[in-house]
Amino acid sequence: DAGVIQSPRHEVTEMGQEVTLRCKPISGHNSLFWYRQTMMRGLELLIYFNNNVPIDDSGMPEDRFSAKMPNASFSTLKIQPSEPRDSAVYFCASSFTSAGGSYEQYFGPGTRLTVT
Amino acid sequence: LAKTTQPISMDSYEGQEVNITCSHNNIATNDYITWYQQFPSQGPRFIIQGYKTKVTNEVASLFIPADRKSSTLSLPRVSLSDTAVYYCLVRTALIFGKGTTLSVSS
Repeated sequence: DAGVIQSPRHEVTEMGQEVTLRCKPISGHNSLFWYRQTMMRGLELLIYFNNNVPIDDSGMPEDRFSAKMPNASFSTLKIQPSEPRDSAVYFCASSFTSAGGSYEQYFGPGTRLTVT
Repeated sequence: LAKTTQPISMDSYEGQEVNITCSHNNIATNDYITWYQQFPSQGPRFIIQGYKTKVTNEVASLFIPADRKSSTLSLPRVSLSDTAVYYCLVRTALIFGKGTTLSVSS
């Protein structure tokens, strides 16, 4: 398996523009996670899907952020409009989840977003 | 949700054993303790997971006392390549935080 695939790897955009980050989880995994990492706040969970359904979106900063998972092999994280404070590395991770909780997460390489 | 507390940073020298302790006072009965490692410009990578007592794999050992309110990740004979950020998680909490930055010097 190729692992978790994220695109683009780098994104530079101007304030006010729409940004879409993409993720392909590992085949067979039923949970998908979006994280944001900054020096100030560390690694924060934004949203968590299980079987394509959003389970916990309490980490989504505000209405400018939205995430979708239309099928088991694809998810998007959209920021509209983008702001400089959104600059961060965004990671997607996937895992297998059972009744006992999620097993180890496999992370993608991340998307480094810079909003100017 | 069970939150974890771990040191912000640690320093070591090559060849030494490093122990990173994490406290998780509110851990639930069904929670596992999981450790991840993150190198610069990469996503975190799973290292080890345990429920109680001791777990060992090719990378590290994990010690968990009977009350499970803390755990210790042990890295034997560290090398320069072990310089990374180490995160302790309670499996159901999904809270990574800032982790422990381990710096290994020669």
